[in-house]
Amino acid sequence: EIVLTQSPGTLSLSPGERATLSCRASQSVSSSYLAWYQQKPGQAPRLLIYGASSRATGIPDRFSGSGSGTDFTLTISRLEPEDFAVYYCQQYGRAFGQGTKVEIK
Amino acid sequence: EVQLVESGGGLVKPGGSLRLSCAASGFTFSSYSMNWVRQAPGKGLEWVSSISSSSSYIYYADSVKGRFTISRDNAKNSLYLQMNSLRAEDTAVYYCARGNSSSWYLFDIWGQGTMVTVSS
Repeated sequence: EIVLTQSPGTLSLSPGERATLSCRASQSVSSSYLAWYQQKPGQAPRLLIYGASSRATGIPDRFSGSGSGTDFTLTISRLEPEDFAVYYCQQYGRAFGQGTKVEIK
Repeated sequence: EVQLVESGGGLVKPGGSLRLSCAASGFTFSSYSMNWVRQAPGKGLEWVSSISSSSSYIYYADSVKGRFTISRDNAKNSLYLQMNSLRAEDTAVYYCARGNSSSWYLFDIWGQGTMVTVSS
C-alpha cells in the first residue's frame, strides 16, 4: 500500500507570496494518478489538480502541479486570501496524504 | 447544478447502526462510480468505500469491511451507506463523492458531508 507524506505540515505565508507544497510517495506513482484537493474550514474538499499537473474546471491558473515518480509539488504562485486552507494530495488508489495547512502569517 | 446532498448522520451508541444517504442531481447518476470518504474531527481524509455505476463492483477499506455496506439506487439517483457495529473510531464527517469518468478514485464532486458521532 502506497503511503503519501506531505510537507511541511503547516506553511505560514502572507498574501501575495508563493506557496510550495510537497507530496512524497513511499513508492513510485504514475503521474497520471496523482491529485490535489483544497479544503477550507467547515467545507468539503474541492478537486484542484489531477494527473499531477492538470487543473480541474474553474481552478485559477495560479495553482499548478508538477512532479513524477515519488515526488510531487503543488505551487500557488501568488497567494490570495481565499487560498488559505488545507491541501491534500491523493494517489488514485485511495490513499490521501495527511495534509498541509497554509495559514496567514 | 451538479450537486450531492448527504443525510442520515447523527448520534449513535457503540454497536449501533446508521444508514447514510446521498442524493445526486444535475448529472447522469447512473453513469458514474460513487464513493464514501470520511474525516474524523481534526484529522485527514480517509476513503471508505466505492461502488461502480451498475453496482457490479464494490470495494471497502479494511477498517470498515464486514461492518459497512455501500449500495445505490440509480432510479432514485441515490447512494447509501449502511453502517453496522459502529465504533467510537467511526466518528467522522462522511462525504459522498463522485468518481470521475476517467478514474474511479478521482473525486471530482463532493457533498457537504454528514456528521456521525458514535458515543455512549
